[in-house]
Amino acid sequence: GQQVMQIPQYQHVQEGEDFTTYCNSSTTLSNIQWYKQRPGGHPVFLIQLVKSGEVKKQKRLTFQFGEAKKNSSLHITATQTTDVGTYFCAGPAGNTPLVFGKGTRLSVIA
Amino acid sequence: GAGVSQSPRYKVAKRGQDVALRCDPISGHVSLFWYQQALGQGPEFLTYFQNEAQLDKSGLPSDRFFAERPEGSVSTLKIQRTQQEDSAVYLCASSPGGPAGANVLTFGAGSRLTVL
Repeated sequence: GQQVMQIPQYQHVQEGEDFTTYCNSSTTLSNIQWYKQRPGGHPVFLIQLVKSGEVKKQKRLTFQFGEAKKNSSLHITATQTTDVGTYFCAGPAGNTPLVFGKGTRLSVIA
Repeated sequence: GAGVSQSPRYKVAKRGQDVALRCDPISGHVSLFWYQQALGQGPEFLTYFQNEAQLDKSGLPSDRFFAERPEGSVSTLKIQRTQQEDSAVYLCASSPGGPAGANVLTFGAGSRLTVL
């Protein structure tokens, strides 16, 4: 079935380095959402993107939605230890309301 | 309530036992979702309610899985004759409503099921 693919699966960075995770869909998405899950926690909503080419910023986090609405990215500038966790993208796929990618697990080395 | 409440937080079952997991969504939230999350994986969609109507149950892995939301509020996910492969965290999420694909979800803390 339709899937939302995420890369990379893991990313280890030194504190202060930048981090980017990418999300791709085989079909056009009406919207894409990003969630963060801390170790041992549950997914927490970060942002929703709706418009083609949309860019939104939350402090050090920058979210982009591709022009074709098939891909998205999350970029973190100057990572901190508080950024540790798994970042998921999610979007509607066929008749399924919200399908999650497998996530990118971020480790930050102080 | 202030958030999505799930119980029990932890459940250990012997293979073959039946289990029931409860979800109490945010008051007034129309939509309710169940996801299954295996260790190291993303949440996998199980089923979705709008009020008391189960609009999509395409993700339920087998007929051993059953979900209900009889009064449009609290929901129960029931797993009959549990198997080891059912071991996972079961996440419930709710949202105010609107088009299903645009729902922004608030998750509960999850129910971790371990089947021995």
